[in-house]
Amino acid sequence: EVQLLESGGGLVQPGGSLRLSCAASGFTFSSYAMTWARQTPGKGLEWVSSISGSGDRTYYANSVKGRFTISRDNSKSTVSLQMNSLRDEDTAVYYCVNWVEGSAILFDHWGLGTPVTVSS
Amino acid sequence: DVVMTQSPLSLPVTLGQPASISCRSSQSLAYSGGNTYLNWFQQRPGQSPRRLIYNVSNRDSGVPDRFSGSGSGTDFTLTISRVEAEDVGVYYCMQGTHWPPTFGQGTKVEIK
Repeated sequence: EVQLLESGGGLVQPGGSLRLSCAASGFTFSSYAMTWARQTPGKGLEWVSSISGSGDRTYYANSVKGRFTISRDNSKSTVSLQMNSLRDEDTAVYYCVNWVEGSAILFDHWGLGTPVTVSS
Repeated sequence: DVVMTQSPLSLPVTLGQPASISCRSSQSLAYSGGNTYLNWFQQRPGQSPRRLIYNVSNRDSGVPDRFSGSGSGTDFTLTISRVEAEDVGVYYCMQGTHWPPTFGQGTKVEIK
């Protein structure tokens, strides 16, 4: 059974940093691209960032480019999202998601999510 | 980015009756290789999203056959043939043909 378990969310002030992590199990981790998506009541569901199975290619939404960094450790089956220069509009529930590397069928499995609140 | 527009945003339904949700994209979702990468997701109250349908009309494993998807180009529909109590939640369409992937704003299905 595929399991994706996020951690690291919390309350942070504007301009601050937070690091999210996702522990994966139940599938061959390096064969899957990993993604972070987020959900807010106002903007709904939004793709944030993805990383290829080997980790050599990364992709970012324009709204987070230059502030967020995605990385993965295939030896530990984990993916992380380093979030810097956080803004109020980054407040959301952040989900870890996977899909088969190279597939165009996206968003196979979702984690439970971790909430991030950016507020002073 | 491709804009996905769903209607209605709220859908009160009677148990056992059919329900349909429309999704329109701002660009054709037909890919040059022949596939159309349009997915549907269900989010029950308090849960994470779960994919129901991929490539317009293919049900994911474990999805009841009362759920079906149809459409082409820019117009797509998710149909629930007979709504059950466990179908309450928010339904999202999502396109994966054009990068970045984008979602519709969601349709809330509730029981009358």
